[in-house]
Amino acid sequence: SYELTQPPSVSVSPGQTARITCSGDALPKQYAYWYQQKPGQAPVLVIYKDSERPSGIPERFSGSSSGTTVTLTISGVQAEDEADYYCQSADSSGTSWVFGGGTKLTVL
Amino acid sequence: QITLKESGPTLVKPTQTLTLTCTFSGFSLSTSGVGVGWIRQPPGKALEWLALIYWDDDKRYSPSLKSRLTITKDTSKNQVVLTMTNMDPVDTATYYCAHVSFTMVRGVIIPTGFDYWGQGTLVTVSS
Repeated sequence: SYELTQPPSVSVSPGQTARITCSGDALPKQYAYWYQQKPGQAPVLVIYKDSERPSGIPERFSGSSSGTTVTLTISGVQAEDEADYYCQSADSSGTSWVFGGGTKLTVL
Repeated sequence: QITLKESGPTLVKPTQTLTLTCTFSGFSLSTSGVGVGWIRQPPGKALEWLALIYWDDDKRYSPSLKSRLTITKDTSKNQVVLTMTNMDPVDTATYYCAHVSFTMVRGVIIPTGFDYWGQGTLVTVSS
């Protein structure tokens, strides 16, 4: 079955830039989506269609795509950004959706 | 304002069938370009997509769970129901339903992501 691969953890200091990657063979064909999940809460969509930001999401969140890798970038990381981040996409046919394994962002 | 809420048993026994209901408001599943998905998350683990139902009653399932899952909608009640057969302790998880919209780009339906989520319901599988 199709898989998306994320690093288990990323650590940054406040004010620095955090980059979280997500790799998958079908990413050149399918859009990616990013979700933020804090403990005990439902996920929140922070990026859709690779690089679009939903209303209400701070501008410091951005997304990009290059080949089989998509990247979530958080500029000027704040303590409140500490959370688990998940990428989501679909297989090459678009019929099977999938989440990545998640990345825990730690703000030092 | 879109809201979704999951309901169902909190405890099921192994081999039993789980039936979860997602009751939503603020949108209609008879409106073109709308869908509802189910996602689960075992304690301390990652999100896992389970199933999706489209406004036109098209359905998609996780390949690894397809034989055990059925998703249906009741447009008049604003509900989506997920059934999962032959439950096992490894199915213990928080189960979420979520809203997704679709846009048409050059004849291709493109999702805009799961933009509204329910609070989730924890289902424990144990004898």
